[in-house]
Amino acid sequence: QQPVQSPQAVILREGEDAVINCSSSKALYSVHWYRQKHGEAPVFLMILLKGGEQKGHEKISASFNEKKQQSSLYLTASQLSYSGTYFCGTELSGGGADGLTFGKGTHLIIQP
Amino acid sequence: DAMVIQNPRYQVTQFGKPVTLSCSQTLNHNVMYWYQQKSSQAPKLLFHYYDKDFNNEADTPDNFQSRRPNTSFCFLDIRSPGLGDAAMYLCATSRGLAGDVSEYFGPGTRLLVL
Repeated sequence: QQPVQSPQAVILREGEDAVINCSSSKALYSVHWYRQKHGEAPVFLMILLKGGEQKGHEKISASFNEKKQQSSLYLTASQLSYSGTYFCGTELSGGGADGLTFGKGTHLIIQP
Repeated sequence: DAMVIQNPRYQVTQFGKPVTLSCSQTLNHNVMYWYQQKSSQAPKLLFHYYDKDFNNEADTPDNFQSRRPNTSFCFLDIRSPGLGDAAMYLCATSRGLAGDVSEYFGPGTRLLVL
């Protein structure tokens, strides 16, 4: 079951903040976040395992609400390099062997 | 540097002519995945290997096959490519251990079918 991402697209000015959401109708084991630039492979940002933990990486952080089966990616003080398509990938069972089901992606455009 | 390598980066083939895409990894990961990504769409899992155990997604066409002769290499064979198979093919790897399931992607092979 494909997770639902929202919004589909965001246009920001440099320095503004953004939140991207990823929701699933099924119980998740993990949520993975990737950023993909045009013509390139997805680049791993972070993973959240069930347990409601929050992770951070410089100005990019994410949370996972196990009760709602929803993960949110937070981009603060956005930089031009943050532009790209953000995908969440979800995994239903543990062990890491099943592969990911990706959402349709959120296009993020950062303007100077 | 430990990494996931895909060859070739670009592949042009003719309608119906078999093609093989290659993926290798120096990460010594247990799991190797193949995804298909069409323009402006999300990557779609085709199949994966956990060590030598092959796992096929239910909706992966029979036209797509895979081989993993050893830990480091995995191949995607498209037996009779159709125009609809033109896409970016992404290989990814993972340790596949509980608590360590991050997937790392190679640069991809862009397939064009004429």
